[in-house]
Amino acid sequence: GDSVTQMEGPVTLSEEAFLTINCTYTATGYPSLFWYVQYPGEGLQLLLKATKADDKGSNKGFEATYRKETTSFHLEKGSVQVSDSAVYFCALSRGTYKYIFGTGTRLKVLA
Amino acid sequence: DAGVTQSPTHLIKTRGQQVTLRCSPKSGHDTVSWYQQALGQGPQFIFQYYEEEERQRGNFPDRFSGHQFPNYSSELNVNALLLGDSALYLCASSPDPSPIQYFGAGTRLSVL
Repeated sequence: GDSVTQMEGPVTLSEEAFLTINCTYTATGYPSLFWYVQYPGEGLQLLLKATKADDKGSNKGFEATYRKETTSFHLEKGSVQVSDSAVYFCALSRGTYKYIFGTGTRLKVLA
Repeated sequence: DAGVTQSPTHLIKTRGQQVTLRCSPKSGHDTVSWYQQALGQGPQFIFQYYEEEERQRGNFPDRFSGHQFPNYSSELNVNALLLGDSALYLCASSPDPSPIQYFGAGTRLSVL
């Protein structure tokens, strides 16, 4: 069945460092791919999405490219801030139905 | 415009009891999905409701049931609670047929 694998956390970076969080997926066809962020005590917020191969999703300085050949959707940001500290979830979905999430990667950014 | 709202925020129950969680979707959203998020894990899909019918179901036992009302709000019911049901329960809504789901802040259920 479909699945999502994320890199283990926690990831600890200094402010202004470059961020990469790896995400790979297993699925037939062309699912939609998402990154969600969860701040402490809150629900999940959509960060960015991509619905077809080679699409690049971007938002608030974060980017991820849908790579069909490597079945990947890695999250990147050029310069992280303390306020980016949160848990990041990669997810896939087919159509309007369920999301399949990865286990999440905790990011801690130090001033 | 209010987002997805869930109630209650926190709940403490004992084993064997029953619980009902509630969700109001974003305005204009007709589809509601429920997820269980155990501590340190990603959310797991429980089921999705559309037009007052269960449209898809994840790998959860029949103790987990739900309902959607004509105003699109939804309830999640869990019977015969187990310690392992302790988790954050998330509700998400979307306007069919959009694949983008918007999440509420969740209900934290503790089973003692």
